[in-house]
Amino acid sequence: DAGITQSPRHKVTETGTPVTLRCHQTENHRYMYWYRQDPGHGLRLIHYSYGVKDTDKGEVSDGYSVSRSKTEDFLLTLESATSSQTSVYFCAISNGYEQYFGPGTRLTVT
Amino acid sequence: TQLLEQSPQFLSIQEGENLTVYCNSSSVFSSLQWYRQEPGEGPVLLVTVVTGGEVKKLKRLTFQFGDARKDSSLHITAAQPGDTGLYLCAGQGAGNMLTFGGGTRLMVKP
Repeated sequence: DAGITQSPRHKVTETGTPVTLRCHQTENHRYMYWYRQDPGHGLRLIHYSYGVKDTDKGEVSDGYSVSRSKTEDFLLTLESATSSQTSVYFCAISNGYEQYFGPGTRLTVT
Repeated sequence: TQLLEQSPQFLSIQEGENLTVYCNSSSVFSSLQWYRQEPGEGPVLLVTVVTGGEVKKLKRLTFQFGDARKDSSLHITAAQPGDTGLYLCAGQGAGNMLTFGGGTRLMVKP
């Protein structure tokens, strides 16, 4: 298995609170991605990074921000969580060719 | 926007039967990846096909990339209960971005 961990694995939070999800890799891959997975929508890209401090928006970036200060860590922040952000969030890493996914974080916003 | 349509969405079969999952698009992809996902886990990469017309075999699973690199299929021979899961296709476009199909949920009954 690719060395990808996500934390926390489960979180319940209230509407309006900030939330940060962490993705950590031990593979030294350049590219990192955040996706959300929802029934009926499949996997959708939120943000991605192509290097330290280099990030860009994906298909569903509204309400999310990211940061990457080290190669191994990619943080996803929900500045003010909403119920529509209840989802399963996956981090992925890539060597520029294939993507490998972490175990996911199940986030519930009440 | 590149779209990938995956069919069927759901498939329930008996152990020993054969099945085929299809992934179709009007866009050309540089490669196509197939993933399998089990409940509570992240997608796991099964195979990547790159060349038009390419066929790859992984034990009882056969993957084919269309000649025009717009479509792909996954064929499972003599399905087993351990094949149960969500199968996802993903086409690789510009900038190493993946476009995911909606997934096929397969259940193989003993």
